[in-house]
Amino acid sequence: EDQVTQSPEALRLQEGESSSLNCSYTVSGLRGLFWYRQDPGKGPEFLFTLYSAGEEKEKERLKATLTKKESFLHITAPKPEDSATYLCAVASGGSYIPTFGRGTSLIVHP
Amino acid sequence: GAGVSQSPRYKVAKRGQDVALRCDPISGHVSLFWYQQALGQGPEFLTYFQNEAQLDKSGLPSDRFFAERPEGSVSTLKIQRTQQEDSAVYLCASSLRGDEQFFGPGTRLTVL
Repeated sequence: EDQVTQSPEALRLQEGESSSLNCSYTVSGLRGLFWYRQDPGKGPEFLFTLYSAGEEKEKERLKATLTKKESFLHITAPKPEDSATYLCAVASGGSYIPTFGRGTSLIVHP
Repeated sequence: GAGVSQSPRYKVAKRGQDVALRCDPISGHVSLFWYQQALGQGPEFLTYFQNEAQLDKSGLPSDRFFAERPEGSVSTLKIQRTQQEDSAVYLCASSLRGDEQFFGPGTRLTVL
């Protein structure tokens, strides 16, 4: 059974204070690891898919990295509009059916 | 362009009532997923369609839950004889291949 653990549960940052969110996973045959952003009252918004260890992807102030056991979402010089819950998910085997973690709630203060 | 839409956005049901939740995916998206999200939790998989075929329904919590996508586009999630534990946000997502999923805004179901 696939498992995903995200830490910390909540993170408060000052604007411009860089940090990282962690996603530890256990999976039999990784098909893909996904990062989503979710704002209150909305559905998750796709950010990245990582397929193999060593892969990195970037989008604006966000950079996602992947090892065989965990993924990090690095946030560089965050702004208040980066405040959201960040969800990590993994899919294994022959399908893209994801198992989600509980998310990290990020608040960036101006 | 239009994204994934869901209706209704909010639904209040009395325990024992049947409800139907609708999902309009992005045009041309082959894959469609339904999830249940409890407060403070990540989405939990319910069922998956590829076109009109329901390929996986392993996440449906009981036989009171039923989903269909008869023409390979719009999908409906039906919950019969609702119970309080069914209260949650129900999310629909569509995708071309499955790896990049586009989510709708969700339907918040409250069972009294």
